[in-house]
Amino acid sequence: AQSVTQLGSHVSVSEGALVLLRCNYSSSVPPYLFWYVQYPNQGLQLLLKYTSAATLVKGINGFEAEFKKSETSFHLTKPSAHMSDAAEYFCAVASGGYQKVTFGTGTKLQVIP
Amino acid sequence: DTGVSQDPRHKITKRGQNVTFRCDPISEHNRLYWYRQTLGQGPEFLTYFQNEAQLEKSRLLSDRFSAERPKGSFSTLEIQRTEQGDSAMYLCASSLTDSGHNEQFFGPGTRLTVL
Repeated sequence: AQSVTQLGSHVSVSEGALVLLRCNYSSSVPPYLFWYVQYPNQGLQLLLKYTSAATLVKGINGFEAEFKKSETSFHLTKPSAHMSDAAEYFCAVASGGYQKVTFGTGTKLQVIP
Repeated sequence: DTGVSQDPRHKITKRGQNVTFRCDPISEHNRLYWYRQTLGQGPEFLTYFQNEAQLEKSRLLSDRFSAERPKGSFSTLEIQRTEQGDSAMYLCASSLTDSGHNEQFFGPGTRLTVL
């Protein structure tokens, strides 16, 4: 069984401030982990993915995430928030050879000017 | 544009009516997935195809739901006798068989409103 917990359904940051979105996962086998972003009325876009190579993963738009096995975490960060980062962010896990991806409930990021 | 496309983007129907949605995956992708997303939730897996074979269906997929991918290319999702609880965004995604990274590319979704 696999699951994802995203802490905080809403996060507000000031423009230029650090963005930190939290994700903890549960998986019985080594996982693949993903962060997706969703803008209003649009589908999901992949930001970055962890596939057991480097534990620090860099993605698009200046985002990165660090896989910490001991903490079962995969938190998403960005050093400096832009207004265009305002969106909903989903952490997701896939494990084993199977293709089913389990998503978290999402975190809405608000960027305050 | 060679991304995943879905049609229609929006559908409003009355309770009890049947609806059908279409998904066109990225052309070389052999895997296709359907998800349902309700307000305030992440996408929930409904079903998955590899080529034309439907390999798994979620318990969320009641008998009123049926999905097909007859030629291993586009897919349809039909909901019969719609209920108000079916109102949601229906997302389609596709991926290519590889070593297991399973990067799924999502379409823009079909938003269903059942009155």
